[in-house]
Amino acid sequence: RKEVEQDPGPFNVPEGATVAFNCTYSNSASQSFFWYRQDCRKEPKLLMSVYSSGNEDGRFTAQLNRASQYISLLIRDSKLSDSATYLCVVNLDSNYQLIWGAGTKLIIKP
Amino acid sequence: EPEVTQTPSHQVTQMGQEVILRCVPISNHLYFYWYRQILGQKVEFLVSFYNNEISEKSEIFDDQFSVERPDGSNFTLKIRSTKLEDSAMYFCAGWTSGDDEQYFGPGTRLTVT
Repeated sequence: RKEVEQDPGPFNVPEGATVAFNCTYSNSASQSFFWYRQDCRKEPKLLMSVYSSGNEDGRFTAQLNRASQYISLLIRDSKLSDSATYLCVVNLDSNYQLIWGAGTKLIIKP
Repeated sequence: EPEVTQTPSHQVTQMGQEVILRCVPISNHLYFYWYRQILGQKVEFLVSFYNNEISEKSEIFDDQFSVERPDGSNFTLKIRSTKLEDSAMYFCAGWTSGDDEQYFGPGTRLTVT
């Protein structure tokens, strides 16, 4: 059973479009939630934390639905530089052990 | 901006050999982690380390693996007898309480032949 599940994609999206990714997690005790971005053969980098009330950072909006154990990421006005793999990540405990989804690959086309 | 560093960037070794992967975390971090990512697969937790001891480890982190922080600066991952399936990117990360983010190093690509 996958603990964090994502659609692997790839999502091929024209520049300027809006794209949404979803993620589900299996452990209801999960404490905190994140979207990381990973470029090819590079380390993951935090894109944004996901709060219960939802949060927005520029063109990026993240939502959390604890009842459905579901996290989403919306990217508006997509840029070529948004092309990457987006990783849904949950933290289970106070030691901050991160559990990772396999990632959704996004390709923005000019 | 402080950053996590890892050496070497790429390590090639023969099956059965020991390897040591090195990391220098950010100085004020208290929790340290090793993750691995096999090519094309997801990032997997290996071990967390706090207060000079392992706090949690995954099923992957068997007797062939060990970690230590010998001098309060370097944080190392040792694989005693490498297998072909140990070939992966190994990422070191650090965190401190109050932070949202774990800070990752650039990774060491381990190739076992």
